[in-house]
Amino acid sequence: QKEVEQDPGPLSVPEGAIVSLNCTYSNSAFQYFMWYRQYSRKGPELLMYTYSSGNKEDGRFTAQVDKSSKYISLFIRDSQPSDSATYLCAAANFGNEKLTFGTGTRLTIIP
Amino acid sequence: KAGVTQTPRYLIKTRGQQVTLSCSPISGHRSVSWYQQTPGQGLQFLFEYFSETQRNKGNFPGRFSGRQFSNSRSEMNVSTLELGDSALYLCASSYERGVEDTQYFGPGTRLTVL
Repeated sequence: QKEVEQDPGPLSVPEGAIVSLNCTYSNSAFQYFMWYRQYSRKGPELLMYTYSSGNKEDGRFTAQVDKSSKYISLFIRDSQPSDSATYLCAAANFGNEKLTFGTGTRLTIIP
Repeated sequence: KAGVTQTPRYLIKTRGQQVTLSCSPISGHRSVSWYQQTPGQGLQFLFEYFSETQRNKGNFPGRFSGRQFSNSRSEMNVSTLELGDSALYLCASSYERGVEDTQYFGPGTRLTVL
């Protein structure tokens, strides 16, 4: 069993819709949680990170962590075609540079 | 400020050969991590170097090795290539060590093993 599980999709939604991307993790030692976005033929870029349960908002993006259920979510409001990419969740221990990634969800926003 | 650069961008090798990939981190960054990305397994951590020392290693066989130079540039080597080594190899750099320091990824080297 992988330490971070993510539905690979693909997921297609119409422009303007709210997108929900989810991951679960099994390692209770994970304290940092991140979301990366990866466009085709590019490396991943960090979207958001959080280290506590609850919500963190940045513009149209909201990251949510529920440590009691080991559940990580990313919400995208007012989705745009430029949001079409693969979204990767990741988790790590404090002080450890090793990131454990989910397999990624391929998202397509339909104009 | 220039981003993380990786060379070459594409590489085709045959089974049994060896390959060396190069990564130049963002200026001033001292930590370089390497990841393998495949459709089935996603991104998997290979190893991390900080100040020329390997500090962390993932669960890959000894055929995968790396090193870091005094200017923080890093190389990874794969010996005796297997078909399953075909993947996108990504490196990421950060200023210090520790996950709380943002890692910036390069575009990757696409390795195809025939």
